[in-house]
Amino acid sequence: AQSVTQLGSHVSVSEGALVLLRCNYSSSVPPYLFWYVQYPNQGLQLLLKYTSAATLVKGINGFEAEFKKSETSFHLTKPSAHMSDAAEYFCAVSPGGGADGLTFGKGTHLIIQP
Amino acid sequence: KAGVTQTPRYLIKTRGQQVTLSCSPISGHRSVSWYQQTPGQGLQFLFEYFSETQRNKGNFPGRFSGRQFSNSRSEMNVSTLELGDSALYLCASSEDVGNTIYFGEGSWLTVV
Repeated sequence: AQSVTQLGSHVSVSEGALVLLRCNYSSSVPPYLFWYVQYPNQGLQLLLKYTSAATLVKGINGFEAEFKKSETSFHLTKPSAHMSDAAEYFCAVSPGGGADGLTFGKGTHLIIQP
Repeated sequence: KAGVTQTPRYLIKTRGQQVTLSCSPISGHRSVSWYQQTPGQGLQFLFEYFSETQRNKGNFPGRFSGRQFSNSRSEMNVSTLELGDSALYLCASSEDVGNTIYFGEGSWLTVV
């Protein structure tokens, strides 16, 4: 069985500041890990995914995440926040790549202060 | 290439009724999965179909069912609707396991 914990249901940062969204996972097998973003009244958009090829994964819109097996973490970062980054962010885990069913965290609402 | 298309986008049903939601995957994608999103339970996996066969299933009651057609289009059905079934239902498609999963914009179901 697998699970995902996202620390902080709401995170507020100033425009231009570092964005750090935390995700810890548990999985009985080497996992596939994902970050998705959801804008209001829209579906989910994939930001990036980890598939064991490299521990530092670069995604779209300047986001990246680092897989740390020893800490069972996959935190999402962005060096400089932009107003357009305000959205809900979800971390997800899957043992088989995703089509077998993603287990999502509860989500983190990112607020950007002007 | 068109994205994942879900219809209808919004609907209101009465308790006890049934509902059918439709999903057209990205062209060439044979895997279609469904998720339920609610404020209380978050995003939960319902089931996944590949080449008309259900391959994976989440922990939902039998009132929730689905099917996939030969053209990969998929439908999900919820019978005997309950107030708690009010949710955003998301469909996602991919070429197969291990490939990137793309989500549609969802169908908003309100049960009154």
